[in-house]
Amino acid sequence: AQTVTQSQPEMSVQEAETVTLSCTYDTSESDYYLFWYKQPPSRQMILVIRQEAYKQQNATENRFSVNFQKAAKSFSLKISDSQLGDAAMYFCAYRKNYGGATNKLIFGTGTLLAVQP
Amino acid sequence: DTEVTQTPKHLVMGMTNKKSLKCEQHMGHRAMYWYKQKAKKPPELMFVYSYEKLSINESVPSRFSPECPNSSLLNLHLHALQPEDSALYLCASSLAGSYEQYFGPGTRLTVT
Repeated sequence: AQTVTQSQPEMSVQEAETVTLSCTYDTSESDYYLFWYKQPPSRQMILVIRQEAYKQQNATENRFSVNFQKAAKSFSLKISDSQLGDAAMYFCAYRKNYGGATNKLIFGTGTLLAVQP
Repeated sequence: DTEVTQTPKHLVMGMTNKKSLKCEQHMGHRAMYWYKQKAKKPPELMFVYSYEKLSINESVPSRFSPECPNSSLLNLHLHALQPEDSALYLCASSLAGSYEQYFGPGTRLTVT
């Protein structure tokens, strides 16, 4: 069975600094997606970034980038120039790339990020 | 537009009440999901609909009854709930089963 592990329950970063959130996963599959979702105190889960396992190039979305190490099964999220609005719970998630709607999204336990002014 | 809407935002109900949660998307997505989320925990999958057919029921108690009247709408009917059912209920949709899911803002449910 696939599992996703986020070993940092809480992290803190100064405004304008850079922070990296860790995620590791376990799977025997070769074709899958990895995601980072952000859930601010307003509650809505927002998709931050997506990585296809077959792509070697790390995904980037503005200030958010990932370090995808397929062999090590590691998928960390780097937030550059942190802003107060980045304060949220961040969930790492995994999904196989086949199986249709029976294909569950598997979440890690989350990392609560605080941004200090 | 990647918007999933949910109503109501908040719901307080007694253990004998019957209520419904509603979720809507107009992105042409054909997979829709219900999740239950407790505070500071990841969402837990409850149900999955694919092309308006129920494809996953994660052994959810029968006091929760999902319904998918059409490809844009997903309901969750609630009856005889317990206080431990109090949680944030999230709806999500995806273009097809293997694409990323987009979440709605959730309904905060309190069972008294």
